[in-house]
Amino acid sequence: EDQVTQSPEALRLQEGESSSLNCSYTVSGLRGLFWYRQDPGKGPEFLFTLYSAGEEKEKERLKATLTKKESFLHITAPKPEDSATYLCAVQGRSGSARQLTFGSGTQLTVLP
Amino acid sequence: KAGVTQTPRYLIKTRGQQVTLSCSPISGHRSVSWYQQTPGQGLQFLFEYFSETQRNKGNFPGRFSGRQFSNSRSEMNVSTLELGDSALYLCASSLAGLQPNNEQFFGPGTRLTVL
Repeated sequence: EDQVTQSPEALRLQEGESSSLNCSYTVSGLRGLFWYRQDPGKGPEFLFTLYSAGEEKEKERLKATLTKKESFLHITAPKPEDSATYLCAVQGRSGSARQLTFGSGTQLTVLP
Repeated sequence: KAGVTQTPRYLIKTRGQQVTLSCSPISGHRSVSWYQQTPGQGLQFLFEYFSETQRNKGNFPGRFSGRQFSNSRSEMNVSTLELGDSALYLCASSLAGLQPNNEQFFGPGTRLTVL
């Protein structure tokens, strides 16, 4: 059974204070690892897909990296508008091609 | 390009009733997956439909069912509602191709409250 653990559960940062969110996973053959952002009352917004260890992707102040056991979402010089819950999910080979197993998320608050 | 749309956005039902939720995927997307999100359990996979066939189902009782139409639109149905079915129901669409086209894009969700 695929499992995803995210840490920390909650993170409060001052504007401009860089940090990283962690996503540890166990999966029977990784098809892909996904990062989403979710604002209260809304559906998750797609950020990145990573497919193999060593892969990195960047978007504005966000950078996602992947190893064989975990992924990090690095946030550089965050702004208050980056406040949201960040969700990590994996697609393993045991389920259907598009079945996602999600972590419980990291709730990020960026203070001005 | 329009995103994933879900209707209705909000529903209030009473125990024992049944409910049908609708999802229209992004144009050209052929796969639709459904997820339930609750504060206690987080996001959990319900089922996936591709080419009008259910491809996989998560660990939910048979009261939860769905279907997909030839235009890729999908509906999910919950019969004999229980209080614990109160949740945000999310639909995600995907091209259903090989990498790198396997990303899933979520709709805004339907907030179901069971009284």
